[in-house]
Amino acid sequence: AIWMTQSPSLLSASTGDRVTISCRMSQGISSYLAWYQQKPGKAPELLIYAASTLQSGVPSRFSGSGSGTDFTLTISCLQSEDFATYYCQQYYSFPLTFGPGTKVDIK
Amino acid sequence: QVQLQESGPGLVKPSETLSLTCTVSGGSISSYYWSWIRQPPGKGLEWIGYIYYSGSTNYNPSLKSRVTISVDTSKNQFSLKLSSVTAADTAVYYCASQQLVRGSLAGNDYWGQGTLVTVSS
Repeated sequence: AIWMTQSPSLLSASTGDRVTISCRMSQGISSYLAWYQQKPGKAPELLIYAASTLQSGVPSRFSGSGSGTDFTLTISCLQSEDFATYYCQQYYSFPLTFGPGTKVDIK
Repeated sequence: QVQLQESGPGLVKPSETLSLTCTVSGGSISSYYWSWIRQPPGKGLEWIGYIYYSGSTNYNPSLKSRVTISVDTSKNQFSLKLSSVTAADTAVYYCASQQLVRGSLAGNDYWGQGTLVTVSS
């Protein structure tokens, strides 16, 4: 199975900040990576797939980059509704696996 | 807009079988792959497996010996059975659609609200 790490595990930020979350794979996955946002008590929501393609309806302040083993999710200008936990997911090989998550909270 | 809704018992006894159903509305189940994903309280997400409407499946090896996912196209539903459960199987269980883009997997785009299943005697 492919494993991933996310860093940081906790990120304290303020509204308006630019934040970056990293996801690193145990082996290369080309661009077969998705990012999700999850708020407490809610199901995850798909933000980005294919490492950098914005899912329909997702605000453009979210962006993704990377390929191979290193990927990044960037929120260009943090809004109040962006405080949540973010997960990466690889779908290059089975079993599909998720990262451990990065919680973005209010500084 | 596709909507998914999980249903099933919220409490299952140890060693018994957990059974959940996901009802798909607003779209046909005869497209997409359909996934089950779970999340233990306070922890991360674990992919359980998925099924194509034709019935082909792919399971997480960590659960494969205990998992069965099936589909009923006439009811627009798919189901999860997890046998011999223990407290470690206590989790919120989500059903989700597996997006395809140009024939390739592309993340889970629609999710149910999730249902908490507790394993306890």
